[in-house]
Amino acid sequence: AQSVTQLGSHVSVSEGALVLLRCNYSSSVPPYLFWYVQYPNQGLQLLLKYTSAATLVKGINGFEAEFKKSETSFHLTKPSAHMSDAAEYFCAVRTNQAGTALIFGKGTTLSVSS
Amino acid sequence: DTGVSQNPRHKITKRGQNVTFRCDPISEHNRLYWYRQTLGQGPEFLTYFQNEAQLEKSRLLSDRFSAERPKGSFSTLEIQRTEQGDSAMYLCASRPDKGAPSYEQYFGPGTRLTVT
Repeated sequence: AQSVTQLGSHVSVSEGALVLLRCNYSSSVPPYLFWYVQYPNQGLQLLLKYTSAATLVKGINGFEAEFKKSETSFHLTKPSAHMSDAAEYFCAVRTNQAGTALIFGKGTTLSVSS
Repeated sequence: DTGVSQNPRHKITKRGQNVTFRCDPISEHNRLYWYRQTLGQGPEFLTYFQNEAQLEKSRLLSDRFSAERPKGSFSTLEIQRTEQGDSAMYLCASRPDKGAPSYEQYFGPGTRLTVT
């Protein structure tokens, strides 16, 4: 069965500092991986996705993630945090064999202080 | 694209009452999904439609839950005899039928249900 683990339910950084949100996945077949962001009382917005075309994926708002098969990881990074990055971030996985639904991690809340 | 819309945005109901939520997907998106998100958790899959056919249902979808997509456009999710444990955010998502399996799902703003 596929699963996603997000290490750290809450991450706090200072404005301008590096953002690192961790995601590890479990899948017996090549996965498709996604990072979504959710602002309070809103739906989820796609940040970026891994589709096997390239291991380093660039997304919106300066975020990027690197797929590492050997580590079964897909960590999200941003070189310099902005106050507007404060939100909840979800990593998700899906495969063809598992049906079409996304399987989400429990999420990481990012706080950015000035 | 006008985006996925959901109504109502908030619903407060008393335990035992029935509630119905509506989701309007992005035009021409044949696939529609319902998820439930409780506090401190990621969204959990409930059910999936391809056009009007309900193709997959999660174990989370108890007998009190029913979903429809009668004409392959909008969808409704009904919860009968609501319980306090049903309090959650109900999210709808859609995507085109064609395209690579990696194609992302587009989410609506959700309906927040509070059962008192």
